[in-house]
Amino acid sequence: DAGVIQSPRHEVTEMGQEVTLRCKPISGHNSLFWYRQTMMRGLELLIYFNNNVPIDDSGMPEDRFSAKMPNASFSTLKIQPSEPRDSAVYFCASSPSGGFPHEQYFGPGTRLTVT
Amino acid sequence: DQQVKQNSPSLSVQEGRISILNCDYTNSMFDYFLWYKKYPAEGPTFLISISSIKDKNEDGRFTVFLNKSAKHLSLHIVPSQPGDSAVYFCAASARDSSYKLIFGSGTRLLVRP
Repeated sequence: DAGVIQSPRHEVTEMGQEVTLRCKPISGHNSLFWYRQTMMRGLELLIYFNNNVPIDDSGMPEDRFSAKMPNASFSTLKIQPSEPRDSAVYFCASSPSGGFPHEQYFGPGTRLTVT
Repeated sequence: DQQVKQNSPSLSVQEGRISILNCDYTNSMFDYFLWYKKYPAEGPTFLISISSIKDKNEDGRFTVFLNKSAKHLSLHIVPSQPGDSAVYFCAASARDSSYKLIFGSGTRLLVRP
């Protein structure tokens, strides 16, 4: 059974460019989470969806960041325009239930470098 | 304001010995706690969890202890194996915040052969 799939695994872009990160959750999972990991702030939740609906986006750093989940099997995190301080590893995770509590299954991450 | 703290950035133990990783939290509303393990270039992997109604949960070589009065939890690995070398994250969740997991900064464990 495939786990959470993220693409690309690595992204290098120049400041000001648009970046789109993609995630395919585990089939049957109805909660999806986007995290960012940096040395300074550790692992922080950016946004999460339940049944494709954004529930909490309070962790999204600013308006340059946006996330969508058009269907149960796909989500995107977009940064426009990108800045060097956005450089981090971005993880997507999914969870098998909408109940509480539960475990989250993480993808391998996308390492983003903005020069 | 760090609600979940892992004050030891690294830990080194001998193979076969016990590894003890610690985690402190400040939010008394947290009622579910999890430990994740992370290898380089991979995402975190769920390891073990504990509800606040319990003070201990065991799964094979891994045991998590919860001390609610001290707002402290620990992960014990016995016996430690070289394959346990990874970064361990403590995470906490509160019922009133639904799905949000608050992660600690992680502890890098090295198990020496």
